[in-house]
Amino acid sequence: DTGVSQDPRHKITKRGQNVTFRCDPISEHNRLYWYRQTLGQGPEFLTYFQNEAQLEKSRLLSDRFSAERPKGSFSTLEIQRTEQGDSAMYLCASSVGGYNEQFFGPGTRLTVL
Amino acid sequence: TQLLEQSPQFLSIQEGENLTVYCNSSSVFSSLQWYRQEPGEGPVLLVTVVTGGEVKKLKRLTFQFGDARKDSSLHITAAQPGDTGLYLCAGTLRSGGYNKLIFGAGTRLAVHP
Repeated sequence: DTGVSQDPRHKITKRGQNVTFRCDPISEHNRLYWYRQTLGQGPEFLTYFQNEAQLEKSRLLSDRFSAERPKGSFSTLEIQRTEQGDSAMYLCASSVGGYNEQFFGPGTRLTVL
Repeated sequence: TQLLEQSPQFLSIQEGENLTVYCNSSSVFSSLQWYRQEPGEGPVLLVTVVTGGEVKKLKRLTFQFGDARKDSSLHITAAQPGDTGLYLCAGTLRSGGYNKLIFGAGTRLAVHP
């Protein structure tokens, strides 16, 4: 399968715990994006990487959130001291430019108890 | 207020009916994508439209980009239960030196046999 993959698919954690999600983009895609989606809404942009450089961060991304793409390939999104409001689907997408066609992974569903 | 307004929010129809969903904005987009999302999965790219007035067909689905590149429509002919899902439009805006993808909240379609 050469699509975008995300791990884990589901994560249940207790409030205050740290969680880390992984995204493996399509191999030739140099652009990688993280989004958050809550029930009844479309995906909301969180952050963007071009190769290993993090070029854009949304105001939605509080200090508790950090993302990395150390070698310009896979990326991780860490949430520290999780809160119930962090419960959402976290989506990763990748693209190679052009008309900004982004290809999404299956998402990680986070539930904070 | 959503930058991209999708209507209707929900649509429940019988197999064989035709339908149109709309995506409207006051902003001009350099390109616009339509995605379909199944529950618990990431959005899947259906089409990209780039030129004002452009029409693209994908089997029973017809996509149109408005002349001013501010709006779009998706028409489905003879809907089938397999068309059930969340239809998301997403427009590309240039923001801070990068192409930002803005999503609407989606139209949830249910096609009953």
